Amino acid sequence: AQSVTQPDIHITVSEGASLELRCNYSYGATPYLFWYVQSPGQGLQLLLKYFSGDTLVQGIKGFEAEFKRSQSSFNLRKPSVHWSDAAEYFCAVATGFQKLVFGTGTRLLVSP
Amino acid sequence: EPEVTQTPSHQVTQMGQEVILRCVPISNHLYFYWYRQILGQKVEFLVSFYNNEISEKSEIFDDQFSVERPDGSNFTLKIRSTKLEDSAMYFCASRVRQGQGLVTGANVLTFGAGSRLTVL
Repeated sequence: AQSVTQPDIHITVSEGASLELRCNYSYGATPYLFWYVQSPGQGLQLLLKYFSGDTLVQGIKGFEAEFKRSQSSFNLRKPSVHWSDAAEYFCAVATGFQKLVFGTGTRLLVSP
Repeated sequence: EPEVTQTPSHQVTQMGQEVILRCVPISNHLYFYWYRQILGQKVEFLVSFYNNEISEKSEIFDDQFSVERPDGSNFTLKIRSTKLEDSAMYFCASRVRQGQGLVTGANVLTFGAGSRLTVL
């Protein structure tokens, strides 16, 4: 069955430091991969997606992610974190066209 | 930018009561979804809906749940007799029909801000 693993439940990063959130997936076919962000009290906002082509994808708010098929990973990165980036981040894989399977999320805390 | 709107933003109900959560998907979208997120847990798929019928549902989506598109704009989730464990944030989502627009856009779900349900 398809699954997504986000091994880090919480991550604390200093403002201005770089960030990498890990995501590993299990899916038999070519995956469609996504990163969503959920700010407190807000819904899910799409940061970026990967369908095919260039394995380094750019998203909104300065985020990027790299698809590595050999490692079944789709890690999210940002070179310099801002306090407003504090939120919960969800990695997801699309199973066919019908639904997304989400990871358990990583809560990002940004320290001054 | 088009958005998915959900009402109410928060509902408190007594166990055993019926609840209807409402969603207005983006106007040209034809696939509709409900997901839920129990506090502290991951977002889980409940049901997908296309062409006025359920196309897929999860094990969570038992006989207590139903979905409907009553008037061509709203998409509702009904819980017939709520249980304590139904307390969660419920997200509605929609997407364009496959083949419309960019192929790469066909799988992108747009989520609403969620409806928080608290069952006492």
